[in-house]
Amino acid sequence: AQSVAQPEDQVNVAEGNPLTVKCTYSVSGNPYLFWYVQYPNRGLQFLLKYITGDNLVKGSYGFEAEFNKSQTSFHLKKPSALVSDSALYFCAVRDIDSGAGSYQLTFGKGTKLSVIP
Amino acid sequence: EPEVTQTPSHQVTQMGQEVILRCVPISNHLYFYWYRQILGQKVEFLVSFYNNEISEKSEIFDDQFSVERPDGSNFTLKIRSTKLEDSAMYFCASSEVAGGSYEQYFGPGTRLTVT
Repeated sequence: AQSVAQPEDQVNVAEGNPLTVKCTYSVSGNPYLFWYVQYPNRGLQFLLKYITGDNLVKGSYGFEAEFNKSQTSFHLKKPSALVSDSALYFCAVRDIDSGAGSYQLTFGKGTKLSVIP
Repeated sequence: EPEVTQTPSHQVTQMGQEVILRCVPISNHLYFYWYRQILGQKVEFLVSFYNNEISEKSEIFDDQFSVERPDGSNFTLKIRSTKLEDSAMYFCASSEVAGGSYEQYFGPGTRLTVT
């Protein structure tokens, strides 16, 4: 079974400060990891993914995430937050070894990011 | 940029009624999905669909649920007899190819309220 935990329901950060949104995962095999963002009245929008290779993954809008296998974490980061980054962020995982034809994503509960001007 | 679209944005129905939620996936995508999110809870996988058949479904996707691709563009989720606990946001998603490393693109969701 695969699972994701986002330990913070809400993260508040001042504009211009670095931000981190935390995610830890659990899979029996190796993970594919994803971050999505949801703005009000919009669908989940893909930000970035980790498949293999470099542990630091860069994505859209200046976001990046670091895969840490020993800590089973995939935290989302941005060096300088913008007010427009305020949204709901979802971490998701798929177990690479879950079998052919099994492509479902397992999501965390989401973290609301508020960037304060 | 191509997007997944969903209609309606909000559906209110009475318990026991049938509802059909509609989705138009991105045109060159081959894999389609439905997820749902009950208020305050996680986004949960319901079903995936490829080559005109269900490829995977969760425990939630019981006999009350069905999916269909009635034409070359639409992908629908039908709930035959709605229950109060079916109230949720339903998201449709699609991906370009069949492969777990490929990101899924989500629609804006349909909020289903069962009274």
